[in-house]
Amino acid sequence: GAGVSQSPRYKVAKRGQDVALRCDPISGHVSLFWYQQALGQGPEFLTYFQNEAQLDKSGLPSDRFFAERPEGSVSTLKIQRTQQEDSAVYLCASSPREGTHYGYTFGSGTRLTVV
Amino acid sequence: GQQLNQSPQSMFIQEGEDVSMNCTSSSIFNTWLWYKQDPGEGPVLLIALYKAGELTSNGRLTAQFGITRKDSFLNISASIPSDVGIYFCAGVHTGTASKLTFGTGTRLQVTL
Repeated sequence: GAGVSQSPRYKVAKRGQDVALRCDPISGHVSLFWYQQALGQGPEFLTYFQNEAQLDKSGLPSDRFFAERPEGSVSTLKIQRTQQEDSAVYLCASSPREGTHYGYTFGSGTRLTVV
Repeated sequence: GQQLNQSPQSMFIQEGEDVSMNCTSSSIFNTWLWYKQDPGEGPVLLIALYKAGELTSNGRLTAQFGITRKDSFLNISASIPSDVGIYFCAGVHTGTASKLTFGTGTRLQVTL
C-alpha cells in the first residue's frame, strides 16, 4: 500500500482482556518498528523486526506484551491481560533499509483505551 | 523509558512570527531528527542531522545539531496556520540505529 496501515484505529478493552493490534507496513519494507505513545508524551520504542526476525525487544514493558511478524510483512502486537497503564497510542513504522531510521514512515496508530 | 527534554512545552504565536525550540539530552547522539505530529496521525520527519555542528534547512525550517552532540535546535520562520501541531526531536545512538529516543514534544499553536 501507499502507507503504513494500522488496525483497528480505536480499541476499547476491559481490564484483563487480551488485545491484538495489526500493522501492515509499506510493501517491501524490511524493517518494522512498534512504539507506544502515552497521552502528552513522545513515542517510546517497544520492538524492532528485520524481516521476520525480532532483533530488539528491549522496550517491551512486560511479558504481557508480545509481537510477531511471521512472514516478514504484517506484524501483530499482542497485549495479554490488559491493564489501565497500557492505555496509549500504539504506533507502527516501517523502513526500506535494515536497522536504520532512514525512510521511517509511521502509521496513524491504534488508540487503546483500557477501562 | 528515557525521553529527551524539549522546551518550551507549548507556545502560542501569531502568524508570521519566527519560532525556536530546542531539545537536550544527558547522553550523546550521533543523529538528531525532528518530527511533526498532527492530531490522530503518526509523526512525519521534517529534518535529519548527522554531524555535530551541522545546520540544515527544509523550506522555512532550519535545524542544528549541537556541538556537544547532546542538543539540537529547530527554528521555523514566518509561521503559518498549518504549522500548528506537536514537534518532537528524536535521537539515535551509535550502535542502536534501529531505535529512536523521542523528546517530550513542543506544542505549537498559531493565531491569526
